[in-house]
Amino acid sequence: KAGVTQTPRYLIKTRGQQVTLSCSPISGHRSVSWYQQTPGQGLQFLFEYFSETQRNKGNFPGRFSGRQFSNSRSEMNVSTLELGDSALYLCASSSLATQETQYFGPGTRLLVL
Amino acid sequence: DQQVKQNSPSLSVQEGRISILNCDYTNSMFDYFLWYKKYPAEGPTFLISISSIKDKNEDGRFTVFLNKSAKHLSLHIVPSQPGDSAVYFCAARISGGGSNYKLTFGKGTLLTVNP
Repeated sequence: KAGVTQTPRYLIKTRGQQVTLSCSPISGHRSVSWYQQTPGQGLQFLFEYFSETQRNKGNFPGRFSGRQFSNSRSEMNVSTLELGDSALYLCASSSLATQETQYFGPGTRLLVL
Repeated sequence: DQQVKQNSPSLSVQEGRISILNCDYTNSMFDYFLWYKKYPAEGPTFLISISSIKDKNEDGRFTVFLNKSAKHLSLHIVPSQPGDSAVYFCAARISGGGSNYKLTFGKGTLLTVNP
């Protein structure tokens, strides 16, 4: 079974731009979560989607948003990029069948200049 | 406020010996704990988990111990192999109420296994 895939793997943007990242979960997984990893803050929870609905949200500003499609694929969007948004963005999927253990994709490395 | 703490940023052990990675938590509502391993340029890989109703869980070379009264868990790797060299993250969650999907992570411990 294919794992979680994320596109693109690397991205360079400038301040003020916006960016959209994509995540395809493991087949059959309906929950998709997003995390931000930075050297200073570690891995921090952004939000989680299930059946096209945001079910949980972390402590990030409204510039960070997401959505989920009917096929469980998810996108996250960051508007008005700031230098501090440079990070590795990780997507994880889970299902009841795996006792809700989250399985991560390889991440998208975003650099904001 | 860091609810999950891994106080050792790094650990170095010899191949064949035991590696012990430690994790402390402050939120007594956490009832499920996971360990992930992460190589550079890859996403975290799930290793092993433990529910708060248990105090030990084993999977091959990996064993996780949970001491609820001390709010402490540890991951033992026996024997350690050079391929185990990676960053290890401890994570915790509160089950039920839709919170299963929010993991709180420690900042990780870099394990180096020397041949």
